[in-house]
Amino acid sequence: EVQLVESGGVVVQPGGSLRLSCAASGFSFDDYAIHWVRQAPGKGLEWVSLISRDGESTYYADSVKGRFTISRDNSKNSLYLQMNSLRTEDTAFYYCAKDPGRYTGSYFDYWGQGTLVTVSS
Amino acid sequence: EIVMTQSPGTLSVSPGERATLSCRASQSVSSNLAWYQQKRGQAPRLLIYDASTRATGIPARFSGSGSGTEFTLTISSLQSEDFAVYYCQQYNNWPPLTFGGGAKVQIK
Repeated sequence: EVQLVESGGVVVQPGGSLRLSCAASGFSFDDYAIHWVRQAPGKGLEWVSLISRDGESTYYADSVKGRFTISRDNSKNSLYLQMNSLRTEDTAFYYCAKDPGRYTGSYFDYWGQGTLVTVSS
Repeated sequence: EIVMTQSPGTLSVSPGERATLSCRASQSVSSNLAWYQQKRGQAPRLLIYDASTRATGIPARFSGSGSGTEFTLTISSLQSEDFAVYYCQQYNNWPPLTFGGGAKVQIK
């Protein structure tokens, strides 16, 4: 069974930093690209970032480019999102989501349950 | 950036009735479109990909159609567990991958 479990969401002040993690199991983690998708409370879904299976290619939404960094450790079946210079508008549930492909983005066939990041003073 | 527009925003349907949700893309996305279901307090779940292919374990009452800029998700006979929010998402031109604003299916 495919499982994705996010962690690391907390309350952080504007301008602060945070690192989210996603632990994967039930599939060959290093065979697939993985995404971060976020959802502000009561709002719609917003794609944040994608990393290829080998970590060599990364992509970002304009809203987070230059502030967030996606990475992965295939030896630990883990995905990360380093979030710097956080803004109140970054407040959201952050989901890791598996792509059915290896290097390019498509749809999201499995999702974690999400972790809540709250940016507030 | 491709903008995805869903309509209606809210659909009120009685159990057993058919529900039809629309999704329009600001430019052609070919058949590179997915649909997701999200229940309150849960993560989204993939229903349909490639515009019309049901994901693993999705009941046959869910069907998708369309190509280019106009897409439809049909739920043939609504069950109680189908009352949720539905999102479309394009993956033809990216980054960014983009979602529609969502459509809520509620009990009439």
